[in-house]
Amino acid sequence: DQQVKQNSPSLSVQEGRISILNCDYTNSMFDYFLWYKKYPAEGPTFLISISSIKDKNEDGRFTVFLNKSAKHLSLHIVPSQPGDSAVYFCAARSSGNTPLVFGKGTRLSVIA
Amino acid sequence: DVKVTQSSRYLVKRTGEKVFLECVQDMDHENMFWYRQDPGLGLRLIYFSYDVKMKEKGDIPEGYSVSREKKERFSLILESASTNQTSMYLCASRQQGAYGYTFGSGTRLTVV
Repeated sequence: DQQVKQNSPSLSVQEGRISILNCDYTNSMFDYFLWYKKYPAEGPTFLISISSIKDKNEDGRFTVFLNKSAKHLSLHIVPSQPGDSAVYFCAARSSGNTPLVFGKGTRLSVIA
Repeated sequence: DVKVTQSSRYLVKRTGEKVFLECVQDMDHENMFWYRQDPGLGLRLIYFSYDVKMKEKGDIPEGYSVSREKKERFSLILESASTNQTSMYLCASRQQGAYGYTFGSGTRLTVV
């Protein structure tokens, strides 16, 4: 039973345009959400996060939106750059000392 | 700069061998985790440890065991390697109460 779902395995975007990566979750106990970025042959690196008490968090070109009623979050990258080409993982956790639950990832390709 | 170090980037082992994957962190983190990443399956949790000498099964513990004798080191053991354990193995650590992980660079294990 997948608690965190990234339904788009891949996404292709032109350089300079907006990239929107989506993530849905089923566990209503999740209260913190994170996005990680992963290049081939490297470990994932933290990108941005959001607490369930917020609906938006921005960091430079990256913005995460959370819609709790829909159990949906999205990562917006604008403008997209070729260096953004990577696999993006959505992750979530509930309160307490629990492990992160990851989605299957979305491969973003930014075309110059 | 804080670090999670995985001892090998690439490993090739034979079916039936006992395999040790080592992970060391220098951040004095209490929590440590082992995930495997496979195409189309995302990051799946194998085992985790809340503190020294403690271990908890994740979602896919079969065929694996772990050891945490010291706080900084978390070892993943493949008791008898099989070809379906060919994967990218990722170690991560986290401070107690924190949300995000710091990941190592990963070990690409091939079992032949």
